[in-house]
Amino acid sequence: NAGVTQTPKFRVLKTGQSMTLLCAQDMNHEYMYWYRQDPGMGLRLIHYSVGEGTTAKGEVPDGYNVSRLKKQNFLLGLESAAPSQTSVYFCASSRTRPGYEQYFGPGTRLTVT
Amino acid sequence: GQQVMQIPQYQHVQEGEDFTTYCNSSTTLSNIQWYKQRPGGHPVFLIQLVKSGEVKKQKRLTFQFGEAKKNSSLHITATQTTDVGTYFCAGPSGGSQGNLIFGKGTKLSVKP
Repeated sequence: NAGVTQTPKFRVLKTGQSMTLLCAQDMNHEYMYWYRQDPGMGLRLIHYSVGEGTTAKGEVPDGYNVSRLKKQNFLLGLESAAPSQTSVYFCASSRTRPGYEQYFGPGTRLTVT
Repeated sequence: GQQVMQIPQYQHVQEGEDFTTYCNSSTTLSNIQWYKQRPGGHPVFLIQLVKSGEVKKQKRLTFQFGEAKKNSSLHITATQTTDVGTYFCAGPSGGSQGNLIFGKGTKLSVKP
């Protein structure tokens, strides 16, 4: 099992460009999450999904959109990238509610110039 | 809103010294989880505590959950260079969805 995978690993964008980050998990988990990690800020939840076809806002959702068309995939979109979105993005999944451990992907390092 | 706070933010120790990080929640938690993130890596689940006053050990790591279920600690005995990384605590948020709220982490460095 690959666990949680993320593509791409690195990306540099110019302000105003768009991109999609892909997260895939092969553990048949119901819940999936997108976090961003900035120095000194810990992990902040952007959006999450409690099942196929569902999405919900987390702590810092502005400027991002998500979709979960298939249970195993969770996409994070940036429609018009801004320098403030320079960060490391982690995807995670869990079997059900957060009473269960979360499994994290390796991360995507995004730089917006 | 609900907050999970960790102290200290940074800790530098000599190899062989002990290390402790503390986690405090503004609300009572149903459970608390601990994660470790190695430099350049991703968070990895270490343990979950559920019961009031619970103590769990993993080799040199000792985890405690407070009696009031609002605080927790992670203690490492005789640190090794392999312990380097950032340790996060996380607890479920309130509401029906109950997402995890992460502390900002304690970054541990170990001098050989």
